Amino acid sequence: EVHLLESGGGLVQPGGSLRLSCAASGFTFSTSAMNWVRQAPGKGLEWVSSITGSATKTFYTDSMKGRFTISRDNSKNTLFLQMTSLRAEDTAVYYCAKVPFGVPGYFDSWGQGTLVTVSS
Amino acid sequence: SYVLTQPPSVSVAPGKTAKITCGGSNIGSKGVHWYQQKPGQAPVLVISYDSDRPSGIPERFSGSNSGNTATLTISRVEAGDEADYFCQVWDSSSPCVFGAGTKVTVL
Repeated sequence: EVHLLESGGGLVQPGGSLRLSCAASGFTFSTSAMNWVRQAPGKGLEWVSSITGSATKTFYTDSMKGRFTISRDNSKNTLFLQMTSLRAEDTAVYYCAKVPFGVPGYFDSWGQGTLVTVSS
Repeated sequence: SYVLTQPPSVSVAPGKTAKITCGGSNIGSKGVHWYQQKPGQAPVLVISYDSDRPSGIPERFSGSNSGNTATLTISRVEAGDEADYFCQVWDSSSPCVFGAGTKVTVL
């Protein structure tokens, strides 16, 4: 059974940094593209970033380019999101989601999310 | 950037059919994916590539895509189908785009 477990969320001040992790199990991690999707309170889904299974390519939504960095450690079945220069509008639940193949596509499994709150 | 347009809400009586649209420029040329999200829960994939239903998703859920509109159809609606539904595509200019979501209310 696929299991995705996010961690690392919490309260951070504006301008601060945070590193999210997503521990994966139940599937061949290295052959699956992985993604971060966020959802602000009461709002819709917003794609953040994707990384191919081999980590050779990364993709970001324009508003997060340069502030967020996605990475993965295939030896530890773990996905990361390094977030810097955080703003109040980055407050959201951050979901880790997998694609059933090595390049971005649709998201067939999701974690339960980790809440990031940016506030002074 | 590519934009997907969904109606904010759809209301349907139990046992009837709900149709949720997702509009986009020439969306018929793209693969459209649909997710169901219930309050306090993570999204769940209900349709991939326009009309493919993952294992475990009831046959009551179906999809179509043509021209400028993709449609998620829920037949014989049940109370448990009440949720938010989001469409999603990959587009070379965006690249991943979600619609704003449609809240389905079962009357």
